[in-house]
Amino acid sequence: GAVVSQHPSWVICKSGTSVKIECRSLDFQATTMFWYRQFPKQSLMLMATSNEGSKATYEQGVEKDKFLINHASLTLSTLTVTSAHPEDSSFYICSARDTDGSNEKLFFGSGTQLSVL
Amino acid sequence: QQQVKQSPQSLIVQKGGISIINCAYENTAFDYFPWYQQFPGKGPALLIAIRPDVSEKKEGRFTISFNKSAKQFSLHIMDSQPGDSATYFCASYYSGSARQLTFGSGTQLTVLP
Repeated sequence: GAVVSQHPSWVICKSGTSVKIECRSLDFQATTMFWYRQFPKQSLMLMATSNEGSKATYEQGVEKDKFLINHASLTLSTLTVTSAHPEDSSFYICSARDTDGSNEKLFFGSGTQLSVL
Repeated sequence: QQQVKQSPQSLIVQKGGISIINCAYENTAFDYFPWYQQFPGKGPALLIAIRPDVSEKKEGRFTISFNKSAKQFSLHIMDSQPGDSATYFCASYYSGSARQLTFGSGTQLTVLP
């Protein structure tokens, strides 16, 4: 099956610093990628939809200046948490859509655990 | 906001038993219904999926039953094993312009040895 690589798998940073998370589709081209946030024992919350070559579409309540998304190529999307604070600590997950004819599947990265001290 | 309601929140099953997780959706435009399995500290992995033109799909020990008129679908795990212990999410996919997954709230499955 398709593979989505997410890096890093975990990161610890000081409050006020910025953190970049990468999401790569390894064996397919993804025109659309999605970024989710997940709190412990909760479901995935969609943060934004990332489209290659255009601006990301953010869900209501998600600060676009706080969570910068770049989708510069068909295989790479990045999420930058700017000026991170402890309340930004969470599990961040990306997904990418693979379209093969009539079959469409969404594959997820392994997630990034962000801890802001 | 379109919702997918999932139950139960948690489920404990003996090894060899059948695990059943249910989901109900609201938007009749949804046309793809996947189930994801998530282990702690990992991203969700696609387990099995169904489209509304069929009522059942089986892959190994995993079966999706789909009731279009009731707008409900369920995951059945036959011969449940301790290795199946994980969180399971149902989801519905909207093929409109947004084309986003809507997730259920998740079910924590524990299979006792």
